[in-house]
Amino acid sequence: DTAVSQTPKYLVTQMGNDKSIKCEQNLGHDTMYWYKQDSKKFLKIMFSYNNKELIINETVPNRFSPKSPDKAHLNLHINSLELGDSAVYFCASSSRRGREAAYEQYFGPGTRLTVT
Amino acid sequence: DAKTTQPTSMDCAEGRAANLPCNHSTISGNEYVYWYRQIHSQGPQYIIHGLKNNETNEMASLIITEDRKSSTLILPHATLRDTAVYYCIVRYLRGTSYGKLTFGQGTILTVHP
Repeated sequence: DTAVSQTPKYLVTQMGNDKSIKCEQNLGHDTMYWYKQDSKKFLKIMFSYNNKELIINETVPNRFSPKSPDKAHLNLHINSLELGDSAVYFCASSSRRGREAAYEQYFGPGTRLTVT
Repeated sequence: DAKTTQPTSMDCAEGRAANLPCNHSTISGNEYVYWYRQIHSQGPQYIIHGLKNNETNEMASLIITEDRKSSTLILPHATLRDTAVYYCIVRYLRGTSYGKLTFGQGTILTVHP
């Protein structure tokens, strides 16, 4: 079974549209993250949720809105898509409980978003 | 989080040890050294982490200098599947920024047959 899954894997859409990416983890973790990897391959954190509470919110346009319906899911909704939003978006999860070894993050396979 | 410096790229022959260096001269006493790698088109994968002591697991070994200003990730017997970008990350595990991974450019390791 896939530990961290994302849907869709590929997403092609036009400027101005609204789209969502879904993430689910079956690891029993209590913390989930969204990362963005741009065309230059830089990987940057966007958001983090712990037990459905937003704990990290980097400087991200408010067109991006994360939503965590429960601990196992963290979705990313993007309004009014722009060309610069084209990137690969990775979801990850980890646990705050236990020794620091549990803090390792497990990443999903990524969603390649292309805005035309 | 402290900044890290890694070589842009390295080559290694299959079956030989790959030694990937990382400089983190501004690391503070309560920051950990983490290593992740990203194989082409996949999500990053955790490899190993350490605070002061050298660490070893089934994937790699981590050697941290006594002053903690640098470290080396060792893949003892590199295979073609180890070709990836390797990221050295210094990470603080407390406070509001805990859990945050700050990725740099990493080292592109290419393992040759």
